[in-house]
Amino acid sequence: GGIITQTPKFLIGQEGQKLTLKCQQNFNHDTMYWYRQDSGKGLRLIYYSITENDLQKGDLSEGYDASREKKSSFSLTVTSAQKNEMAVFLCASSIVRVNQDTQYFGPGTRLLVL
Amino acid sequence: AQSVTQPDARVTVSEGASLQLRCKYSYFGTPYLFWYVQYPRQGLQLLLKYYPGDPVVQGVNGFEAEFSKSNSSFHLRKASVHWSDWAVYFCAVSMEANTGKLTFGDGTVLTVKP
Repeated sequence: GGIITQTPKFLIGQEGQKLTLKCQQNFNHDTMYWYRQDSGKGLRLIYYSITENDLQKGDLSEGYDASREKKSSFSLTVTSAQKNEMAVFLCASSIVRVNQDTQYFGPGTRLLVL
Repeated sequence: AQSVTQPDARVTVSEGASLQLRCKYSYFGTPYLFWYVQYPRQGLQLLLKYYPGDPVVQGVNGFEAEFSKSNSSFHLRKASVHWSDWAVYFCAVSMEANTGKLTFGDGTVLTVKP
């Protein structure tokens, strides 16, 4: 088994601020993902990374940067927080092989921008 | 465009009653389909997944789902709902091989009445 840890659990920022969210996994998975979840909505992919130092844009990458410096960690940066923004950011990881692409999720980071 | 639709934003059932949560997908290839569950303030957990083969898939906690190519559907079922099933359920489809990328529906909130 393994676990995904996301820090911080709660993040309160100011408009225009750069904010960084961190994710660690000990599954030894190759692929990691960042999703944004808005209330009443499904998950939208922001960035994903197939291996260390790889970055791929998802559907919602504008306004975000990401970094995969180690296999076990994947960081997401909100480049300029938007006033009244409120969302949950979920990190996930998976092995991507035929018939083995289940994603495992962390508990999320809850963002509120004042 | 490829998409996943969960037509019911909210479903309420009585404890012990049967359950069906609907999922429709739009994709011209052969999809890999997933159902995830999200309990309050937690990340998503896999309930079950479908790969081409037997159209009825068994999952955890008594859940099952049936794939229908003719109806482009992957509905989730449970014979007898328990109060602990109160959660948000997401249908997802993997449409790109070797990336693990998932497209999620907006989710269905399941409420269980005593």
